[in-house]
Amino acid sequence: NAGVTQTPKFRILKIGQSMTLQCAQDMNHNYMYWYRQDPGMGLKLIYYSVGAGITDKGEVPNGYNVSRSTTEDFPLRLELAAPSQTSVYFCASSRDRGITEAFFGQGTRLTVV
Amino acid sequence: AQRVTQPEKLLSVFKGAPVELKCNYSYSGSPELFWYVQYSRQRLQLLLRHISRESIKGFTADLNKGETSFHLKKPFAQEEDSAMYYCALKNSGGSNYKLTFGKGTLLTVNP
Repeated sequence: NAGVTQTPKFRILKIGQSMTLQCAQDMNHNYMYWYRQDPGMGLKLIYYSVGAGITDKGEVPNGYNVSRSTTEDFPLRLELAAPSQTSVYFCASSRDRGITEAFFGQGTRLTVV
Repeated sequence: AQRVTQPEKLLSVFKGAPVELKCNYSYSGSPELFWYVQYSRQRLQLLLRHISRESIKGFTADLNKGETSFHLKKPFAQEEDSAMYYCALKNSGGSNYKLTFGKGTLLTVNP
């Protein structure tokens, strides 16, 4: 039972570099989310998707991009990494718009230096 | 706009003591509320949802619409309850659904 899988688990980037955080789920969930978790700040929603081909901005979308070409995958792209993007990133998915549980990946710890 | 407030960043209790983690929300529609827990080095996972009215690991939470609260309670805390707890609100209005989290409360249960 894989659930939600995120890769990589850890990454160090230099300022200005780009990278893609991968997220895949095998539960056929329509809804997928990207959050960042900063100490003392809780989780903030970056982007979310309600289905393949449909994405929308969350609270803190600046500096990020997403795509949802398939139901399973929801990659998060950082184009020009900045120190402010140092954080732990969580991907999550949920089945539908009903009262359902959100399942989380194990997170990606990103450091931008 | 929906908002979830957890007023305590840190909460420390002794084993066997009662514990209450506070959560207040702001939402104009009919709320769907959850408690998520993150144990050390583990992924975030669902603990409770208000609609189920269940008790998980001895924890309960009652939705109080008058006070717009969804506090998490346990009568006798255990050391294994030490974790980060997040209250979350699901937007059930309109065509899009988002899960909004509070800032979290770090619970430490001392022996």
